[in-house]
Amino acid sequence: ETGVTQTPRHLVMGMTNKKSLKCEQHLGHNAMYWYKQSAKKPLELMFVYSLEERVENNSVPSRFSPECPNSSHLFLHLHTLQPEDSALYLCASSQRTSDRFYEQYFGPGTRLTVT
Amino acid sequence: ILNVEQSPQSLHVQEGDSTNFTCSFPSSNFYALHWYRWETAKSPEALFVMTLNGDEKKKGRISATLNTKEGYSYLYIKGSQPEDSATYLCAHHRAGNNRKLIWGLGTSLAVNP
Repeated sequence: ETGVTQTPRHLVMGMTNKKSLKCEQHLGHNAMYWYKQSAKKPLELMFVYSLEERVENNSVPSRFSPECPNSSHLFLHLHTLQPEDSALYLCASSQRTSDRFYEQYFGPGTRLTVT
Repeated sequence: ILNVEQSPQSLHVQEGDSTNFTCSFPSSNFYALHWYRWETAKSPEALFVMTLNGDEKKKGRISATLNTKEGYSYLYIKGSQPEDSATYLCAHHRAGNNRKLIWGLGTSLAVNP
């Protein structure tokens, strides 16, 4: 596998379910991100992990719980979600370089539908 | 300007046409400006990262310019091809918050053969 992978690609869950999204990067990067993409809205940064430490938490509701066990893996644990949480969830990774300045590499996303 | 704004929102051109889009961003505390291409059913892919006022970058038929003093960047596509059809996103990196990008809504480009 190369680049950034995400599983599952599609997820339908009820409001009382608990599920997790998984992201894995094979690029040797030291930072990983969760984004939310809703219709007609810009990409919204949710969480950033750098060297497995959370460095950004963008006022995300506690029903979203991130986990970064190592620099290659990132999870987003979901519980008691609301219908308005239905969106595309994108994972990305980056590594600061002198010329590419935190250029981000994205996974294909998980399309989440909350019923 | 407090947020990142992109115009136009969408664009339809004929194959062979040249086109350009605009990204406007806050000019204070500038660190970097990113351009990404997002094709349907694929992942966003970085095109350029620009940091210096007056920067010009080129990748094949696509090029970009940057004006940090007035807070705008232009993306140009020369001789558009159907495979250029995608949403083009720009994102602003503010100084002091290097891992957080503020994204625009994008310009959706459709190139008709």
